[in-house]
Amino acid sequence: GENVEQHPSTLSVQEGDSAVIKCTYSDSASNYFPWYKQELGKGPQLIIDIRSNVGEKKDQRIAVTLNKTAKHFSLHITETQPEDSAVYFCAASRGSQGNLIFGKGTKLSVKP
Amino acid sequence: EAEVAQSPRYKITEKSQAVAFWCDPISGHATLYWYRQILGQGPELLVQFQDESVVDDSQLPKDRFSAERLKGVDSTLKIQPAELGDSAMYLCASSFVRGETEAFFGQGTRLTVV
Repeated sequence: GENVEQHPSTLSVQEGDSAVIKCTYSDSASNYFPWYKQELGKGPQLIIDIRSNVGEKKDQRIAVTLNKTAKHFSLHITETQPEDSAVYFCAASRGSQGNLIFGKGTKLSVKP
Repeated sequence: EAEVAQSPRYKITEKSQAVAFWCDPISGHATLYWYRQILGQGPELLVQFQDESVVDDSQLPKDRFSAERLKGVDSTLKIQPAELGDSAMYLCASSFVRGETEAFFGQGTRLTVV
C-alpha cells in the first residue's frame, strides 16, 4: 500500500522567512496530494491540494510543487507569520480507488 | 459554513468499559471516514463508508471496534472493551467524492482510557 514520508518533523523559522516541508510517496498510482494544517486541539484543515496533472499550485503565500517522476511533493510558505505556527500534514490518495494516507507531520514554529 | 460535527469532544473511560463516538458529516457528502490520531503522529484510517456501505475497514481492530452508518448519514464508532492503548484523538471526516475532493475534518474526540 501507499507510504508517505514527511520531513522535517520540526521546523523553526523567523517571522518573514520561508518554510519548506517535503514529502515522498511510494504508490505511483497516487494522483491527489492535499496539505492540512492542524492547530492544537482541532481537526486538520485543508490549506492547499494538487493533482497529478499539475506541477505547481499557488494560493497567496502558500504553494505546492509536485514531481511525479521522483514521487515527491513540497509545501512552500513564504513571508511566514506567527499564526502559521501549527502542525502540517501531507497526504496522498489514489483518487476514487484509494484512501488518504497521511505523513507523520511537521511542527512549524514561527518566531516573532 | 457547513461543518462535520463530532461528539463528545472529550471522553475519559476506564479500561474494559465500552465507549462510543458520534459523527454527523456535511450534508450531501457520501464518503465518511474515521481516523485515529495518536499524539505526535498523522491520522490513520480506521474505516471508510460510501453511503451506508463499508468500503475499507482493513485497519479496524474488529475484535473490539465496530462502526456503522445505518442510513448513510451520521455514523457511530464503538470500542468494547476499551484498552489503555486506545487513548488517542478520533477524527471523523467527510468528502463529496472518495479520495478526489477535499476531506473535511471534525474537531475530533479526545479519548483517554484509564
